Amino acid sequence: DAKTTQPPSMDCAEGRAANLPCNHSTISGNEYVYWYRQIHSQGPQYIIHGLKNNETNEMASLIITEDRKSSTLILPHATLRDTAVYYCIVRVAHGSSNTGKLIFGQGTTLQVKP
Amino acid sequence: DGGITQSPKYLFRKEGQNVTLSCEQNLNHDAMYWYRQDPGQGLRLIYYSQIVNDFQKGDIAEGYSVSREKKESFPLTVTSAQKNPTAFYLCASSIQGIKTEAFFGQGTRLTVV
Repeated sequence: DAKTTQPPSMDCAEGRAANLPCNHSTISGNEYVYWYRQIHSQGPQYIIHGLKNNETNEMASLIITEDRKSSTLILPHATLRDTAVYYCIVRVAHGSSNTGKLIFGQGTTLQVKP
Repeated sequence: DGGITQSPKYLFRKEGQNVTLSCEQNLNHDAMYWYRQDPGQGLRLIYYSQIVNDFQKGDIAEGYSVSREKKESFPLTVTSAQKNPTAFYLCASSIQGIKTEAFFGQGTRLTVV
């Protein structure tokens, strides 16, 4: 199964962009990159996902390198409520059904400071 | 409202007792998952089910059992064989395939005393 590597922690000033990196050097061609975040003692919240093109939604942007071995999640204007653990996940295709397991790593704890 | 519901939020059990955690979804999702989270750690996959009456072991299935008799429900039983059952348990569901996001419940915190 493909694995991801993230820095354990990062700080960001409120109102500035938060750029969270992720390495997934063993990713396969049909595996998607997903980002979730988890606020303490709650279920993870979906943020964004992509295959090879950059993606943007109302929450964030996802930049995937051309070789797909790394990606960056961008929160354009971080707020105090964005303080959370951010997980970069490679969704693994499983067999012929193609149902994808989400394999979580340790995540990055983002601290947004006033 | 559509969503995924785990109950109860907090659960206490005596050592040696089996306990069943509930997970229900009304999203019409085929796939469902159970994860375990220990303090300061990421989520680890216990079991997952792609379709009714079928399920597969995840990375840490020992000491756990599941059933998938209905599409909406995927209960997890923590048996007495689980050596260290105290943890935060999370259930998720998704449409089949890897192109769509999975939705998580709010979790059940199990404490075995």
